[in-house]
Amino acid sequence: EAAVTQSPRNKVTVTGGNVTLSCRQTNSHNYMYWYRQDTGHGLRLIHYSYGAGNLQIGDVPDGYKATRTTQEDFFLLLELASPSQTSLYFCASSDAWGENYAEQFFGPGTRLTVL
Amino acid sequence: KTQVEQSPQSLVVRQGENCVLQCNYSVTPDNHLRWFKQDTGKGLVSLTVLVDQKDKTSNGRYSATLDKDAKHSTLHITATLLDDTATYICVVGDRGSALGRLHFGAGTQLIVIP
Repeated sequence: EAAVTQSPRNKVTVTGGNVTLSCRQTNSHNYMYWYRQDTGHGLRLIHYSYGAGNLQIGDVPDGYKATRTTQEDFFLLLELASPSQTSLYFCASSDAWGENYAEQFFGPGTRLTVL
Repeated sequence: KTQVEQSPQSLVVRQGENCVLQCNYSVTPDNHLRWFKQDTGKGLVSLTVLVDQKDKTSNGRYSATLDKDAKHSTLHITATLLDDTATYICVVGDRGSALGRLHFGAGTQLIVIP
């Protein structure tokens, strides 16, 4: 069973559009993350959370909001989408500690295109 | 400035051949280093994690080394299979918990041809 799921898998919107990307994890992890992946760059952290109601700013937060409604669910919101936000978005979850150096488990990704 | 550099950017090998992927980094502190495999259109899956000053790990046909003095890691794939076609990503963690940050390389795209 996939432990981190994302929806939608693909999304096309127009400049100025409103987009919500969803992530659900069934790992019972406290931490959840949103990344973007662009050609020629490593994954870059947008926002993360260590529990329901908590939100922490990542390295590239501009233009993005996020909300963690439950331990399982983490949402990424683009309220005025721009072409520069065209990217592949990944959600991940992890324990705070754990034996395996807080290994992050990744979802399958959402490909977002902003026209 | 990019703190994790991977080489080569892309690599084509024939099925059955061996290959070596390189990762150099400048992250400090360097608590651990992890290699991920990313199949096309899929998420990242951990292959191995290295933690000691001079470390070696083995996971089936995948083996990896880490030298923290040189800030350098290698991933060896032996007897490649078509299913090894993927992007391999090197990630350095500055702590051993979620309180730290992960620093991602841009990946090496490996293509295995018949």
